[in-house]
Amino acid sequence: QVQLQESGPGLVKPSQTLSLTCSVTGGSVSSGANFWSWIRQPAGKGLEWIGRVYSSGKTNYNLSLKSRVAISVDASNNQISLKLDSVTAADTAVYFCATEQFYYGPLIGYQYFDSWGPGTLVTVSS
Amino acid sequence: DIQMTQSPSYVSASVGDRITIACRASEGISNWLAWYQQKPGKAPKVLIYGISTLQSGVPSRFRGSGSGTDFSLTISSLQPEDSAVYYCQQAHSFPQLTFGGGTKVEI
Repeated sequence: QVQLQESGPGLVKPSQTLSLTCSVTGGSVSSGANFWSWIRQPAGKGLEWIGRVYSSGKTNYNLSLKSRVAISVDASNNQISLKLDSVTAADTAVYFCATEQFYYGPLIGYQYFDSWGPGTLVTVSS
Repeated sequence: DIQMTQSPSYVSASVGDRITIACRASEGISNWLAWYQQKPGKAPKVLIYGISTLQSGVPSRFRGSGSGTDFSLTISSLQPEDSAVYYCQQAHSFPQLTFGGGTKVEI
């Protein structure tokens, strides 16, 4: 099973750009029908899907964050990256990367996140 | 946006008890529903997808059910290791996804 590990600065100043990387082992970010998502969780709160990138490089973003977020594939390093612009204290959270299983057939369909990184805490503060 | 509302937000139960967590969608989501378990300081772990399909390795005491807008996760015969926060998640509006607010289960 694929393993994921998030990394990046733990502290970002307000108005700056949050940049995180998700390193992938046991699988390739650029092969097959793989979906790679970022999800975040403020302390003591619920989960918020941020967006995904497909192995092709195509992206989908949460409409509430779309104007500030960019997710990309770095095939040479087998990594997924997240950039979130103009951060505020409200962006303080644990950030997870995760893979999705997705199937859409004539009779049934399903989607779920099956592998997750351990998460990395990002604090937005001056 | 499809909103997912879980209830209750907190459950206290004893070992061996049976509990049910509800998840209501703001509109019909067909079978695009998954359940996750999250323990403190850990990433969520998928328990069930497609409303009722148990993920490999998940104990059979976990059961998902429901249809349309109303779904539930039942844990029969609670075990100490079931203490966690449980989340539902819909994918009917794929590529957009939303999670429920979570239910904390204390044993």
